[in-house]
Amino acid sequence: DTGVSQNPRHKITKRGQNVTFRCDPISEHNRLYWYRQTLGQGPEFLTYFQNEAQLEKSRLLSDRFSAERPKGSFSTLEIQRTEQGDSAMYLCASSPSSGQSYGYTFGSGTRLTVV
Amino acid sequence: AQTVTQSQPEMSVQEAETVTLSCTYDTSESDYYLFWYKQPPSRQMILVIRQEAYKQQNATENRFSVNFQKAAKSFSLKISDSQLGDAAMYFCAYRSVHAGGTSYGKLTFGQGTILTVHP
Repeated sequence: DTGVSQNPRHKITKRGQNVTFRCDPISEHNRLYWYRQTLGQGPEFLTYFQNEAQLEKSRLLSDRFSAERPKGSFSTLEIQRTEQGDSAMYLCASSPSSGQSYGYTFGSGTRLTVV
Repeated sequence: AQTVTQSQPEMSVQEAETVTLSCTYDTSESDYYLFWYKQPPSRQMILVIRQEAYKQQNATENRFSVNFQKAAKSFSLKISDSQLGDAAMYFCAYRSVHAGGTSYGKLTFGQGTILTVHP
C-alpha cells in the first residue's frame, strides 16, 4: 500500500461543468476525510466518512457538492455546476478508527481550476 | 467551535539555526490532540509531530520539538539545526478526542506559516 491516492492531480474545467474526483485511502483505514484548501490558506473540512457512512458534512458545503464512499473503500467528490469560487486544492485523507492521536495520512490532492 | 491561529504568515531562518513557529488555539475541551503538519510546495502534507493534551511532557521528534502550554493554549514548534529541506508551509492543527465534540473526527487547521531556509 503506497498511501492515499488522489486522481486526477489537476483538473481544468469550464464554469458550469460537473467534475468528479476520486480518492483511494490506505486500505486498512476506515475513516476518510475531504478538505478544501485555497492558495495560502489552511485546509477547510468538507466531509467525513466512517466506512461507507457519511457522518459529518460541513455547513460550508453547498448542495452542489456531493460525496460518496460505496462499500467503504474509495470515495468520490462531485461538484455540479462549477463556479470560479470552487477553484482550490481538494485534499483527501484517511485514518484508522483507533489511534486518533496519530492524525491522518493525506493524499497529494486534486487541484481544480474553473475558468 | 475550536479555532487555531498562526500569527506568523512567514518566517525565515539560516541553515543550521533554530526557528520557532507559533500557534494558539481556543477550545473549551480538556482532552484533545494537537499536530504540526508540513506541506512542501506542490507536495503532500505530512505529519511532523503530535501532542496529546493530557501529557505534560513536550513531544520531540529528532530536530522537531514543541512547547505545549495548556493553560495558555499555546503550541509552538521549534526546529533545530534547520535544513534546506525544512522549507515548507507549516500548519498547526487541533483534533477533539471525544465523540460528540464539535470537531470530533476532523482536524481544524490554522492559516499556516511559510518557512524559508537560507543557505
